[in-house]
Amino acid sequence: DAGVTQSPTHLIKTRGQQVTLRCSPKSGHDTVSWYQQALGQGPQFIFQYYEEEERQRGNFPDRFSGHQFPNYSSELNVNALLLGDSALYLCASSLASGAYEQYFGPGTRLTVT
Amino acid sequence: AQSVTQLDSHVSVSEGTPVLLRCNYSSSYSPSLFWYVQHPNKGLQLLLKYTSAATLVKGINGFEAEFKKSETSFHLTKPSAHMSDAAEYFCVVSEDTGFQKLVFGTGTRLLVSP
Repeated sequence: DAGVTQSPTHLIKTRGQQVTLRCSPKSGHDTVSWYQQALGQGPQFIFQYYEEEERQRGNFPDRFSGHQFPNYSSELNVNALLLGDSALYLCASSLASGAYEQYFGPGTRLTVT
Repeated sequence: AQSVTQLDSHVSVSEGTPVLLRCNYSSSYSPSLFWYVQHPNKGLQLLLKYTSAATLVKGINGFEAEFKKSETSFHLTKPSAHMSDAAEYFCVVSEDTGFQKLVFGTGTRLLVSP
């Protein structure tokens, strides 16, 4: 049973560019959450998708957007990249009916230069 | 809003000695609490969770945590540290809004010396 997978593993972008990160949830899971983990910090909640809709959002600007597909996989898009967007981006999957237990992928390391 | 405070940014122990990682929480409701571990260059792994059942929760790799409502604490313990336990540990609370937003602490780095 495959766990949560994310691609790419690493990414280097230039300020002002746009980036798309991808996530495939654990088999059987229907909910995907995205987190940003800056160096030396705990992960911060970006948003969560269920039934292809964003159902909760953290304190992140509109430059951060996402999408969930019918197969429950998800994308995170970040526009107009800033140096401060450099971080590890983590995807977590869960069951909407579950007891809040989330399974995390290995993350995508984004570096903005 | 719910939050967690991890009281130590670093904890150093010797192999074979007990581990104690401290966490206090703030919550308006009966919280769901978790401990996650993150090894270098790896994703987060769930160690254990508390969801209003038994107050003493046993997790993987010999870790356990006790929910103490009177002290608003959820400390993580292990009787005997192993070298492989060296990692970053996060105490996490879930907002009781019907959604599953996790709120992480700032982390405690556990160092294990031979």
